[in-house]
Amino acid sequence: DVKVTQSSRYLVKRTGEKVFLECVQDMDHENMFWYRQDPGLGLRLIYFSYDVKMKEKGDIPEGYSVSREKKERFSLILESASTNQTSMYLCASSRDGVFGPQHFGDGTRLSIL
Amino acid sequence: DQQVKQNSPSLSVQEGRISILNCDYTNSMFDYFLWYKKYPAEGPTFLISISSIKDKNEDGRFTVFLNKSAKHLSLHIVPSQPGDSAVYFCAASEYEGAQKLVFGQGTRLTINP
Repeated sequence: DVKVTQSSRYLVKRTGEKVFLECVQDMDHENMFWYRQDPGLGLRLIYFSYDVKMKEKGDIPEGYSVSREKKERFSLILESASTNQTSMYLCASSRDGVFGPQHFGDGTRLSIL
Repeated sequence: DQQVKQNSPSLSVQEGRISILNCDYTNSMFDYFLWYKKYPAEGPTFLISISSIKDKNEDGRFTVFLNKSAKHLSLHIVPSQPGDSAVYFCAASEYEGAQKLVFGQGTRLTINP
């Protein structure tokens, strides 16, 4: 069974802080994704990665960066957190090549004060 | 610009009856569609998908219908059960196996005993 683990369920940070959200998957998946979920907006893709050290911008990359140094780990970085980045953040992974649905972690609820 | 729209934020259905969740899309390049289900405090889980070469796909109590000319798809759940109470997200991609999914806003389904 695929396991996608996000390091924190809840996180509270202050405006201007540098914030790291960590995600680890245990199924050797090539693709990894970061989304944010907001009421009335659904899930919006921030960044994704299809291989180690590779990254692609999603629909809302502004204010975020990512790091993928190892295949199983994908980090989302808020360089200077702002209150409009308060949200639920979801990580997902999927296998490349043949169709396999994206498997999601349970999310990190981030509050920026 | 919301390319995938779920216009009903919520839906309430009696146990045992049919639940119908709707989704519209605007991008004619979308060729593959998925439904995800999300319980509170958990990540979304894949439910069912359909390729544009089909107009119907069935999996147990769940059936997805696709009307490509109307750019509309629907998810039917028959019979509805209390455990089906969740938020349902429609998602679309440009081909099966594409890395990038575009999600709708979600519909909260409540099944009443």
